[in-house]
Amino acid sequence: DAGITQSPRYKITETGRQVTLMCHQTWSHSYMFWYRQDLGHGLRLIYYSAAADITDKGEVPDGYVVSRSKTENFPLTLESATRSQTSVYFCASLDSNGGETQYFGPGTRLLVL
Amino acid sequence: KNEVEQSPQNLTAQEGEFITINCSYSVGISALHWLQQHPGGGIVSLFMLSSGKKKHGRLIATINIQEKHSSLHITASHPRDSAVYICAVRFRGSQGNLIFGKGTKLSVKP
Repeated sequence: DAGITQSPRYKITETGRQVTLMCHQTWSHSYMFWYRQDLGHGLRLIYYSAAADITDKGEVPDGYVVSRSKTENFPLTLESATRSQTSVYFCASLDSNGGETQYFGPGTRLLVL
Repeated sequence: KNEVEQSPQNLTAQEGEFITINCSYSVGISALHWLQQHPGGGIVSLFMLSSGKKKHGRLIATINIQEKHSSLHITASHPRDSAVYICAVRFRGSQGNLIFGKGTKLSVKP
């Protein structure tokens, strides 16, 4: 499918388990972002990537790991899930040559029991 | 601390009413975005502003750089406009990262 996709869309896991959320974009956008959205907070940046093999921390990176071996993929791993990581996670991409519009994926709802 | 404040948090309107949502920020910015989050959760970008005013259909966004304030207006509101509207800014000196407001939940009643 064209655009930006996330998988899974819904995930239930247990405390201490490792979970990987996938993000895939078909536009070859250079920038990609991971956000979490929680009640009472705006979207908060977890990690971002300016290009393949370049990643950097955002506002709330603790407990998360990212990688970007290919431009089109930007997986987010929760190494040992905690209840506080229950959230909705959004991936986004940005074409640095085409302005500042970020394109968001549909989101992944994660519940950590 | 770089902050983005939106008001009101919640807004209920009757169909046809003119709606205004406000956004203020703390320090100088390079750009301000307005986003819409549908009840199903999807997020789409509506506008990106660095100065002045933009219009798309019934939506108008304005920004006053000196006052560090932006408004999103909806004319002739319709129930399908019901959504959460989010303001986000890129502060000067940042690497493209956006800081988001908490959103304004709009409900338009028929």
